[in-house]
Amino acid sequence: DVKVTQSSRYLVKRTGEKVFLECVQDMDHENMFWYRQDPGLGLRLIYFSYDVKMKEKGDIPEGYSVSREKKERFSLILESASTNQTSMYLCASSFPGQGADEQFFGPGTRLTVL
Amino acid sequence: LAKTTQPISMDSYEGQEVNITCSHNNIATNDYITWYQQFPSQGPRFIIQGYKTKVTNEVASLFIPADRKSSTLSLPRVSLSDTAVYYCLVAPRGMNTGFQKLVFGTGTRLLVSP
Repeated sequence: DVKVTQSSRYLVKRTGEKVFLECVQDMDHENMFWYRQDPGLGLRLIYFSYDVKMKEKGDIPEGYSVSREKKERFSLILESASTNQTSMYLCASSFPGQGADEQFFGPGTRLTVL
Repeated sequence: LAKTTQPISMDSYEGQEVNITCSHNNIATNDYITWYQQFPSQGPRFIIQGYKTKVTNEVASLFIPADRKSSTLSLPRVSLSDTAVYYCLVAPRGMNTGFQKLVFGTGTRLLVSP
């Protein structure tokens, strides 16, 4: 079974802090994604990566950056956390060649910025 | 990418068939339709995918009319454990395409009662 793990289930940070959210997948997937999920807004794509050191902006990249130094790991970085970044963050991965379908999701990290 | 519209919520009883419709009027020729299921405190999970006509697997059926402007997820004989949020996603397949505007929409919250 594909397994996508995220470093924390719950995280509380203060405004202005630098925040790292880590995601690791164990199935050698090329594609990895970061989403945020908010009530009434569904899931929105922040960034994705289709290869090591490759990254592309999604729908809402402002205030975020990413890093992919190894194939299995995709990190989301909040350079200076703000209260409007309080959200559920979901990481996903997929095989190459399948485009935007059959993504495997991690359990999510609920981030609260005070 | 095609924008999708789904009902916000639906109620059902155990043993009934549930049909959830997704509208996607501006679906593109190379777009596929994918449905995901999400339980509380978990990431979404792939259920079924189709391009046209009907697709069936062990969990659900997906009906897509000839014009492909809508699709219907059918869950036969639901149980309490089918209570979840269901998302419709319309996006192209293929290498590294269509990621930029991946939007799952707000989903449909299905509540199954005894």
